[in-house]
Amino acid sequence: AQKITQTQPGMFVQEKEAVTLDCTYDTSDPSYGLFWYKQPSSGEMIFLIYQGSYDQQNATEGRYSLNFQKARKSANLVISASQLGDSAMYFCAIGAGGTSYGKLTFGQGTILTVHP
Amino acid sequence: DTGVSQDPRHKITKRGQNVTFRCDPISEHNRLYWYRQTLGQGPEFLTYFQNEAQLEKSRLLSDRFSAERPKGSFSTLEIQRTEQGDSAMYLCASSDRGRGGELFFGEGSRLTVL
Repeated sequence: AQKITQTQPGMFVQEKEAVTLDCTYDTSDPSYGLFWYKQPSSGEMIFLIYQGSYDQQNATEGRYSLNFQKARKSANLVISASQLGDSAMYFCAIGAGGTSYGKLTFGQGTILTVHP
Repeated sequence: DTGVSQDPRHKITKRGQNVTFRCDPISEHNRLYWYRQTLGQGPEFLTYFQNEAQLEKSRLLSDRFSAERPKGSFSTLEIQRTEQGDSAMYLCASSDRGRGGELFFGEGSRLTVL
């Protein structure tokens, strides 16, 4: 079984500052992937970033980076230079590797509000 | 790449009625997934297909729920004898093997059962 814990129900950040959204996970699978998705008020889930469990380097996608600490089972999302359009719900998710790809377990999410 | 499309976007029905949702995935993706999201929660996995074969169903998918993907292209999710607890957003997603199986989601079908 896999589990994702997001302990921050809501976060506030000033525009142009960086913010870290926390995510811890639990899994018994030796190979897995970690994902972050953004869900604006419109409802669509938007993929942000992916980290494989065997990847040596932390993933980066533009202003998004994933701080992966395998021993601590954490996969925090860092958003640099926050923008007003970053205000949304953010979900961390985990999926098993191999043939079960795409079957994800999501956390409860963190609502991010960016202030001007 | 036209993205994943879902229809209808919103459905209001009375308890006991049947409803059906349709999902058209990204054409080159062989896997199609259904998730359910209730207010304030993250999406929960329901079922997925590889081509036309339904490979796994969650225990969340009661006998009143059935999903099909008859020709390996679009999929339908039918809920029979709807209950108020079925009210949720039903999300469809498709995937290939890229980036660990990154899911491409549709905009969802919101169901309200009165």
